[in-house]
Amino acid sequence: QVQLQESGPGLVKPSGTLSLTCAVSGGSISSSNWWSWVRQPPGKGLEWIGEIYHSGSTNYNPSLKSRVTISVDKSKNQFSLKLSSVTAADTAVYYCARGGSSAVAGSILGHWGQGTLVTVSS
Amino acid sequence: AIRITQSPSSLSASTGDRVTITCRASQGISSYLAWYQQKPGKAPKLLIYAASTLQSGVPSRFSGSGSGTDFTLTISCLQSEDFATYYCQQYYSYPLFGGGTKVEIK
Repeated sequence: QVQLQESGPGLVKPSGTLSLTCAVSGGSISSSNWWSWVRQPPGKGLEWIGEIYHSGSTNYNPSLKSRVTISVDKSKNQFSLKLSSVTAADTAVYYCARGGSSAVAGSILGHWGQGTLVTVSS
Repeated sequence: AIRITQSPSSLSASTGDRVTITCRASQGISSYLAWYQQKPGKAPKLLIYAASTLQSGVPSRFSGSGSGTDFTLTISCLQSEDFATYYCQQYYSYPLFGGGTKVEIK
């Protein structure tokens, strides 16, 4: 059973860069799956940030695209998120998730990490 | 951009009730819709994809229907463990979630 675990700083200063890593265990990041990041501001709904395939192909939410970079490290079986120029509005629980294997099913998120709270504050 | 409207935003129900939640897309999305359940402090859990396909391990009291622009999640006989927030998600274009429906105990 695949497991995902997010890690990274819980506090980021405004205008800085949020950096998170998702470690994958019980499965290979090089499997035929897409790997996503989703966030949830406190008390609010879910927002898809973007996804990556092990080849390095990415898709991003248009509203965040200018600030987001998702990358994959096959040697460490993990993928990462960088979100630049953060503000208080980026305060949220950040989840990593595994999607399906096709271009469309890649966004069906069947396995999730537990999530990590990132607060943007000085 | 495709917009997703989920309703109601909250509802109160009793154990044993039949509950229906709807999602409407601003344009046709075929059957590219999924439903998730989220409990407080936990990650979302996939219940249904392709509008009506039950994810492995999900109880059969959950069902989904619809295609095009109108979709429904039905819980046929509400159990205590079903009190949670439910989200729909379209994946016809870049993934977009509905605003959520909180199912509370009456």
